[in-house]
Amino acid sequence: EDQVTQSPEALRLQEGESSSLNCSYTVSGLRGLFWYRQDPGKGPEFLFTLYSAGEEKEKERLKATLTKKESFLHITAPKPEDSATYLCAVHRRGRNRDDKIIFGKGTRLHILP
Amino acid sequence: DAGITQSPRYKITETGRQVTLMCHQTWSHSYMFWYRQDLGHGLRLIYYSAAADITDKGEVPDGYVVSRSKTENFPLTLESATRSQTSVYFCASKISEAMNTEAFFGQGTRLTVV
Repeated sequence: EDQVTQSPEALRLQEGESSSLNCSYTVSGLRGLFWYRQDPGKGPEFLFTLYSAGEEKEKERLKATLTKKESFLHITAPKPEDSATYLCAVHRRGRNRDDKIIFGKGTRLHILP
Repeated sequence: DAGITQSPRYKITETGRQVTLMCHQTWSHSYMFWYRQDLGHGLRLIYYSAAADITDKGEVPDGYVVSRSKTENFPLTLESATRSQTSVYFCASKISEAMNTEAFFGQGTRLTVV
């Protein structure tokens, strides 16, 4: 069964304390992996798309990496404004060429000043 | 303003009533989607549309109806609301037909069924 699992569910860090969020997936026919940021009361906001193992993308204090089984979202020297829920989603293509995007449940990140 | 907007932002309705959530995008994106987001679940796809007059079921379509007579609008109707449909609903659109391109989300509609 296709699954996307994010860990931890919640994470509290001090400002400046770097860490990583994990997204592990078990899908066949991976076509892409997405990271989104979601602030309370708002819709998800796109951050990155990764297509193949070994790929990395960066944006400000965020860096996303991808392996064959998981993706990491590394946060370097975070600031309080980085507090949000981070969502991972996987696009997979099935045997019948049916496309499906599966979202993880998210990691709630709280950066303390 | 350009973008994707949902209305209303908040809605309380009674069990058994019909309710319609509106979604409007100004980019002329081909693809549009409706998701629901509940505690303990990730975003789950209700319905999607590849173009005007083309719609298809997602993961959790039961109890919902959609239409897309114009490219820019994609309303979601709950024919007879149930308490289990209490949720936050998000509309999204994509610029490309390719599924592996990013989606842009609206602000969400928080629906409570009492």
